[in-house]
Amino acid sequence: GAVVSQHPSRVICKSGTSVKIECRSLDFQATTMFWYRQFPKQSLMLMATSNEGSKATYEQGVEKDKFLINHASLTLSTLTVTSAHPEDSSFYICSATGTGGHTGELFFGEGSRLTVL
Amino acid sequence: QKEVEQNSGPLSVPEGAIASLNCTYSDRGSQSFFWYRQYSGKSPELIMSIYSNGDKEDGRFTAQLNKASQYVSLLIRDSQPSDSATYLCAVQEGGTSYGKLTFGQGTILTVHP
Repeated sequence: GAVVSQHPSRVICKSGTSVKIECRSLDFQATTMFWYRQFPKQSLMLMATSNEGSKATYEQGVEKDKFLINHASLTLSTLTVTSAHPEDSSFYICSATGTGGHTGELFFGEGSRLTVL
Repeated sequence: QKEVEQNSGPLSVPEGAIASLNCTYSDRGSQSFFWYRQYSGKSPELIMSIYSNGDKEDGRFTAQLNKASQYVSLLIRDSQPSDSATYLCAVQEGGTSYGKLTFGQGTILTVHP
């Protein structure tokens, strides 16, 4: 099956710094990518929908200036957590839908665990 | 506020038993329904997808959908300790783009030997 890769899988940073998380589709063109956040013992909450070449659509309550999403190519989307604070510590997961042989399928990345000290 | 609710857990069943997981959703226009399994510290993996009323079977797993009752369930037969995980019900709401899912809060399943 298709693979969606996230990097880094774990990151620890100091409060006030920015962290970038990459989500790559390795063997298909991802026309749409989704970014989710999962706090401990809670479910996945959609943060934003990202379409290649256009601005991301953010869910209500998600600060677009704090969580910068870029989807500049059909294989890469990035999430940058700017001026991170301890409350941003969470498990961030991307998913992607594609074209061609993978039309209509949804693939999840492995997730990135962010810890802000 | 569109909601997806799962039966409260945790659920504990003995090995070999049937585990029954339930989910209700609020958006009557929802068209696509999914069950994901998530191991601790890992991202979700798709177990079943179901789009039409009735039952869908895949190995030990059976998904059941009743759109009139806005209810979807997952049965796991011959439960194994390796089935112990959090099970997430996910719904694609009507009118939204494919892949945009609303997840339930999850049900923790423990299968004990």
